[in-house]
Formats: sequence, C-alpha cells, structure tokens
Amino acid sequence: GNSVTQMEGPVTLSEEAFLTINCTYTATGYPSLFWYVQYPGEGLQLLLKATKADDKGSNKGFEATYRKETTSFHLEKGSVQVSDSAVYFCALSRGATGANSKLTFGKGITLSVRP
Amino acid sequence: DTGVSQDPRHKITKRGQNVTFRCDPISEHNRLYWYRQTLGQGPEFLTYFQNEAQLEKSRLLSDRFSAERPKGSFSTLEIQRTEQGDSAMYLCASSPGTAKNIQYFGAGTRLSVL
Repeated sequence: GNSVTQMEGPVTLSEEAFLTINCTYTATGYPSLFWYVQYPGEGLQLLLKATKADDKGSNKGFEATYRKETTSFHLEKGSVQVSDSAVYFCALSRGATGANSKLTFGKGITLSVRP
Repeated sequence: DTGVSQDPRHKITKRGQNVTFRCDPISEHNRLYWYRQTLGQGPEFLTYFQNEAQLEKSRLLSDRFSAERPKGSFSTLEIQRTEQGDSAMYLCASSPGTAKNIQYFGAGTRLSVL
C-alpha cells in the first residue's frame, strides 16, 4: 500500500537557519506529492505540491522537488522565521480523480524557530 | 469563500454515547473527505464523497461509524456507542474536484471519550 515516512522530530532552529525536512514515500505508479502545514489552533493548509517527477513545488520561500529515483520529496527553506513554527506534514495521493484523490499522510514534524 | 467549517470544535462524551459532527464544505466543492488524526500521528483517511455519493470507506470506519452527505452539501459523521479509542481529532476537507486535487481542511472536531 501507499505510505509516507517523515524524519523524526521535533526540530528546533534559530531564526535565519537553513531548514531541511526529509520525506520519502512508497506508492505504485506516479503519485502526486504535497506538503501541508498546520499552525497552532488552525486547520491544515496546503504549502506546496508537485505532480510529476522532477517538478519543484514552491511557496513562501519553501521548496520541494519530486525525486522519483529516490522516492523523496524533501522540504527546504533557506532562512526560517519565527512565524514558520508549525507542524509540517508530507502527503501523497495516487491521482486526482475519484478515490485515488484521498491523501496519505506522514506523521508530521514539529518545527520550532527561536528568535 | 468562507472556508471549511466544522462543528462542534470540541466534544466531550461518555463511553457508550452517540456523537454527531457536522462539516460544511466550501461552496460548490463537490468532493468531501473525512480524516481522523490521533496524537502524534498524521491524518488517516476515513471516507470520501463525490456530491452525495459515498464512494469509498476505509477499513478504519467500523460499523459504529456512519457518514452522510445529503444533497451533496454539508456532511455529518456519526459515531455510535463511542469507545475511548475513538478519542481523536476528526478533520473534514473539501475539494473542487479539478485535476489540481487541492484539499481544503477545516479546523477539526476534537472528540474526547471519557
């Protein structure tokens, strides 16, 4: 079946540090890959996505590249801010239609950024 | 666009009681999903609606769970004879059903079964 594995957390960084959060997946075919973010007290929000190999998703300074050869979708940001403190979830879907559109999530990782 | 709305935000109940949660999706979104999230875990898929039709149910959805989406608008998730293991955050998401497959999540209903 499909699965998503995220690196163990939590992660604590100082402001302006470089961020990498690892995500690998297991899936048949060519899944779409997502990063969702959950700020304290709020619902999950889509941060970025990629739908095919070598696609790069980007948003708010965050980037992730769909690597089919390593089945990975690592999240990076060059300089984190205190406002980036949140829980980050990597997810996949097998497709865009029907039941294939359901999301399979990793466990999530908590990022805390110190001033 | 007022976002996905879930009600109530918190529910405390005693074991054996029935509970019902409501989800109002973004207007004109024809897809609606329910997920369950336990502490320290990512959300897990429960069930999916395309308009009013329930097209898939996870094996996590035991016979005590039932979901409806009458007229393809709001949805309800009912849990009968609640158990302590049902304690979790129940998330609803909706999607416009385009190829982009972007799901918009509500803030969730946190259920505590005592």
